[in-house]
Amino acid sequence: QTVVTQEPSFSVSPGGTITLTCGLNSGSVSTSLYPSWYQQTPGQAPRTLIYSTNTRSSGVPDRFSGSILGNKAALTISGAQADDECDYYCVLYMGSGISVFGGGTKLTVL
Amino acid sequence: EVQLLESGGGLVQPGGSLRLSCAASGFTFGSYAMSWVRQAPGKGLEWVSAISSSGGSTYYADSVKGRITISRDNSENTLYLQLNSLSADDTAVYYCAKKVAGGSFASIDYWGRGTLVTVSS
Repeated sequence: QTVVTQEPSFSVSPGGTITLTCGLNSGSVSTSLYPSWYQQTPGQAPRTLIYSTNTRSSGVPDRFSGSILGNKAALTISGAQADDECDYYCVLYMGSGISVFGGGTKLTVL
Repeated sequence: EVQLLESGGGLVQPGGSLRLSCAASGFTFGSYAMSWVRQAPGKGLEWVSAISSSGGSTYYADSVKGRITISRDNSENTLYLQLNSLSADDTAVYYCAKKVAGGSFASIDYWGRGTLVTVSS
């Protein structure tokens, strides 16, 4: 069974930089899995940040960036702000139309 | 402006059925693949199903295969999700999502606000 792994929680200081990761229980994440990142505030619909590894969605500030680091996908947030405090989800494309989400990372800014 | 408006959610008894709709506007609906993603209360996002732009290809998560059918009417700019044999595990907010041009089915650029399905007796 494919499991996409994310840090359950992370904290960052205001103005700081943080990198969240997205891995696979078996195997490496590469650009061929088209990693995407979504941000969600409780009670709200998800918002797209990054798709296809490193393409920022329309209107997303450039302090959000996506990459591959080692064998994982990564979302880097620089200059963290209070309203960055929410949940972040990655998703990987496994082929044949199938996608799998990670369990999400709850980010605290303090 | 891209808009995705889900409807059709509600309270349904275990074993029951429901059809969700997603009315799309602000883009050429028939040119884009679409997906459904759900979120159980207090849980993370779960990819449920996807459909190609023409509707000719459909894809399902193992957790729903055989019980759920995705379809679309490009003349009406509407995406559907038929839910059958529902159980408490299907209780969730169901989001309609638009795939970006190019990329993969995991590459979503727009989301609807969701519709809540509650399965309970």
